[in-house]
Amino acid sequence: DAGVIQSPRHEVTEMGQEVTLRCKPISGHDYLFWYRQTMMRGLELLIYFNNNVPIDDSGMPEDRFSAKMPNASFSTLKIQPSEPRDSAVYFCASSRRQNTEAFFGQGTRLTVV
Amino acid sequence: SQKIEQNSEALNIQEGKTATLTCNYTNYSPAYLQWYRQDPGRGPVFLLLIRENEKEKRKERLKVTFDTTLKQSLFHITASQPADSATYLCALDIPPSNTGKLIFGQGTTLQVKP
Repeated sequence: DAGVIQSPRHEVTEMGQEVTLRCKPISGHDYLFWYRQTMMRGLELLIYFNNNVPIDDSGMPEDRFSAKMPNASFSTLKIQPSEPRDSAVYFCASSRRQNTEAFFGQGTRLTVV
Repeated sequence: SQKIEQNSEALNIQEGKTATLTCNYTNYSPAYLQWYRQDPGRGPVFLLLIRENEKEKRKERLKVTFDTTLKQSLFHITASQPADSATYLCALDIPPSNTGKLIFGQGTTLQVKP
């Protein structure tokens, strides 16, 4: 398996624009997580899914953030409208079941100017 | 809420020595604890998982201990090598347990000098 695949690797956008980050989890994994990493706050969990269903979105910072998982092999994280403080590295991770290791993608570095 | 503390200062050691990294947490004790390695520009990579009923776990040159009384985990790398230089993150599960939901510490950067 190629691992967790995220796209794009880098995204530079202007404030106010919509940004969509994409993730393909490892086949057969039931859990999918979206994290955000910054120097100040470290790695923060935004939302996670179990069998394509959102379980906990308490980490989503604002209504500007939304995430979907239309099927077992694809998820998106959307920011609309984007703001400079959203600049961070966004990671997607998947795991086979609870209490097991998480496999992370390479991340998307988002810069909002 | 649960807080995790890892030494924010970088740890510099000489090649061949044992590196020891600390992870302290407050409030409740997690059902399990994980350690990850992160290299610059890359996602975290899983290293070890230890459960609350386990005192110690080993994998090659790595050893993790879990003391629920002290609310602390220690991560050891024996016979360290320059290739071990990276940031190491500890992660705990969040109640309710068995959901797979983790919170991460800020990480400790390890620099192994030849």
